[in-house]
Amino acid sequence: EAQVTQNPRYLITVTGKKLTVTCSQNMNHEYMSWYRQDPGLGLRQIYYSMNVEVTDKGDVPEGYKVSRKEKRNFPLILESPSPNQTSLYFCASSRSPLQEPPLHFGNGTRLTVT
Amino acid sequence: RKEVEQDPGPFNVPEGATVAFNCTYSNSASQSFFWYRQDCRKEPKLLMSVYSSGNEDGRFTAQLNRASQYISLLIRDSKLSDSATYLCVVKPVTGTYKYIFGTGTRLKVLA
Repeated sequence: EAQVTQNPRYLITVTGKKLTVTCSQNMNHEYMSWYRQDPGLGLRQIYYSMNVEVTDKGDVPEGYKVSRKEKRNFPLILESPSPNQTSLYFCASSRSPLQEPPLHFGNGTRLTVT
Repeated sequence: RKEVEQDPGPFNVPEGATVAFNCTYSNSASQSFFWYRQDCRKEPKLLMSVYSSGNEDGRFTAQLNRASQYISLLIRDSKLSDSATYLCVVKPVTGTYKYIFGTGTRLKVLA
């Protein structure tokens, strides 16, 4: 089954404790992206990747890191989480966006930072 | 002005009603448009792409008005299962990697 898999689904952590949210897709998609969703603000892009070893900042990259060492994986790293990073996070992928395809989303990670 | 704007709703409609949502976008060069459905903080799922000539998928019709810079979604014969938040997504410029999301319009279909 074609899918985007995120883990964990729920995560509660404390300020400053490094964490990683994993994202993996099995569709051989070139493009992957991370979003956060907050009430009243919609989905905002954190980072995206056009292919292996190619990443770029989205609209709200501060406090986040990503890597794309393999085509299928695109982990989101919070080196020192803070309470304002409490949010619902989605990973998404698509074929080359130059071809205007839609996005496929993972099932989300609800992060709480206390 | 936001790049993509939607009325947050909620739109409360009875079963069987026809309901329409609009979504306005600010970048006149925008090329690709989509409607996504999101259930109760679950992942967004593609409902339909929006083509220049308009397109229909069962009870759902999407239209694009480039002159007035909006897209619309029409749902006929609403079902209880249509209750969800509908997200408008715009890809501003061909050849870039950015998708702009509206904040969504919430629909409640009432029995």
